[in-house]
Amino acid sequence: SQTIHQWPATLVQPVGSPLSLECTVEGTSNPNLYWYRQAAGRGLQLLFYSVGIGQISSEVPQNLSASRPQDRQFILSSKKLLLSDSGFYLCAWRGGTGVTEAFFGQGTRLTVV
Amino acid sequence: GQNIDQPTEMTATEGAIVQINCTYQTSGFNGLFWYQQHAGEAPTFLSYNVLDGLEEKGRFSSFLSRSKGYSYLLLKELQMKDSASYLCAVFSDQTGANNLFFGTGTRLTVIP
Repeated sequence: SQTIHQWPATLVQPVGSPLSLECTVEGTSNPNLYWYRQAAGRGLQLLFYSVGIGQISSEVPQNLSASRPQDRQFILSSKKLLLSDSGFYLCAWRGGTGVTEAFFGQGTRLTVV
Repeated sequence: GQNIDQPTEMTATEGAIVQINCTYQTSGFNGLFWYQQHAGEAPTFLSYNVLDGLEEKGRFSSFLSRSKGYSYLLLKELQMKDSASYLCAVFSDQTGANNLFFGTGTRLTVIP
């Protein structure tokens, strides 16, 4: 069966510090991978998606970047965090090219102080 | 972008039925998904509709009308554990690739 791992679960970082969140998927190959952010009291905002190794598309301009160095690994990064980067970050994967559901990791609660 | 609207909050009584509505405006529509999210946790998939009509899965049913840009999630025989946020998500290729775009969610509180 497929599983998705995301870490860390919580993170407190000072403004201006770098960020690296990692997500890995097991039990499937060539998944579509996603990073979402959920601010307090708001919906999930799609940040990045990837359909293959090295292929990254951004949905919104921002202070973050994403990379996919391996088929089942997706990394969210920032060189210098802003206060507005605080939120609940969720990695997700989806299989196939048809209409299929997305499966989410457990999320990372990021607080920038 | 996608305009997806849901009520912010709803309250219902244990054992009752509740309907959570979702309206959307998007091009490239390919399907509509419903997710459940308990506070502080990841969303979990409930159901999806590609064609018009009702899809039933146990106590949960979801309805879609593509011509009206409208969907609802119906929860029957409500239980206390159903207290959660319910997220409506549009599956759309409007931005060039099929992706899931979420509404802000409806926070449902089930009371005894």
